[in-house]
Amino acid sequence: DIQMTQSPSSLSASVGDRVTITCRTSQGIRNDLGWYQQKPGKAPKRLIFAVSSLQSGVPSRFSGSGSGTEFTLTISSLQPEDSATYYCLQHYTYPYTFGQGTKLEIK
Amino acid sequence: EVQLVESGGGLVQPGGSLRLSCAASGFTFNSYWMSWVRQAPGKGLEWVANIKPDGSEKNYVDSVKGRFTISRDNAKNSLSLQMNSLRAEDTAVYYCARVLNSGYPDYWGQGTLVTVSS
Repeated sequence: DIQMTQSPSSLSASVGDRVTITCRTSQGIRNDLGWYQQKPGKAPKRLIFAVSSLQSGVPSRFSGSGSGTEFTLTISSLQPEDSATYYCLQHYTYPYTFGQGTKLEIK
Repeated sequence: EVQLVESGGGLVQPGGSLRLSCAASGFTFNSYWMSWVRQAPGKGLEWVANIKPDGSEKNYVDSVKGRFTISRDNAKNSLSLQMNSLRAEDTAVYYCARVLNSGYPDYWGQGTLVTVSS
């Protein structure tokens, strides 16, 4: 199975800050990586697919990058509504595997 | 508008069975792979199973192989997950999700809670 190492597991940042979350995979996954946002009691919401493609309706302050085995989700200017847990997912090979999640808190 | 509505969750004893359903609307159901993903209370997401548009290919995480069966009825725009020999560790919210051709689950339902306990 492909192991996903997501970091940090939690972080606290202020409105307007630039935030970066990293996902490392145990082997190369081409560009078969996506990101999700999940708020308490809600289903995950799609953010980014194919490493860097923004889903329709997602604010442009969200961006994704990376290649090989290291990928990042960046929020360029943090907003209060961005408080949530973020997950990466590799869908390169079965079983698909998620990162452990990053809980983002707004100071 | 894409909608996915899960049902069938509840309390079941260890060793028991449960069948989850997902009603899909707002898209051409028989053109998409579909997935089940679960989330244990307070834990992260875990992919459970996928099924091809025509139902001819199914994939499972090892922990549910031989116990869970994913299926679909394209005439009824419906996805199912038959869960047998349930264990305490299967306790989770189960989400159904539409899957793009690349394998990326894009739209998700609101989830249904399965609790396995005596």
